[in-house]
Amino acid sequence: EAGVAQSPRYKIIEKRQSVAFWCNPISGHATLYWYQQILGQGPKLLIQFQNNGVVDDSQLPKDRFSAERLKGVDSTLKIQPAKLEDSAVYLCASSPWGAGQGVSDTQYFGPGTRLTVL
Amino acid sequence: KQEVTQIPAALSVPEGENLVLNCSFTDSAIYNLQWFRQDPGKGLTSLLLIQSSQREQTSGRLNASLDKSSGRSTLYIAASQPGDSATYLCAVCSSGSARQLTFGSGTQLTVLP
Repeated sequence: EAGVAQSPRYKIIEKRQSVAFWCNPISGHATLYWYQQILGQGPKLLIQFQNNGVVDDSQLPKDRFSAERLKGVDSTLKIQPAKLEDSAVYLCASSPWGAGQGVSDTQYFGPGTRLTVL
Repeated sequence: KQEVTQIPAALSVPEGENLVLNCSFTDSAIYNLQWFRQDPGKGLTSLLLIQSSQREQTSGRLNASLDKSSGRSTLYIAASQPGDSATYLCAVCSSGSARQLTFGSGTQLTVLP
């Protein structure tokens, strides 16, 4: 079974530029999560989708961050304009949770995208 | 709001030692608790998951315990090896329909040959 795919793996941009990250979850997984992990900290949830609807985006800085999940499968996370403090690893995870009765809630993580804002 | 704390932040031990990593959480209304391993430049690998009704889980040299009432979990690693060097993250899944994880900041473990 293929895992969660993310691209790019690394991105370096200057502040005020825009950037987009892409995530392809495990086939059949209903729930998709985006996390931000700043160096030395644990991952922090930014947004959670179930199918193509948003479950929780309370920690997403909506003035600069946006995310969408196309047709309930792939997802993109965008930052515009980027700030220095956005430098972090952005992790995508998917879970079967929400795909029906009795499914697992285990989250499977992708390798992440390391963003450096100069 | 759930808060998760991990102690120590970093730990260095000689190969062969047994060690304990600690995790504490503020809200005992949890669904489960999970320990992850993170290698540099890699994603998270799930090591052990303990349901709220369980007291411990074991996998090979790893044993995780959960005391929900006191808001504590420990990860015990027996006979540590250099390949165990990584960051270990504790994550709590709070009760509710969303099944969201709240992570601690992790313990960076170095096992010296």
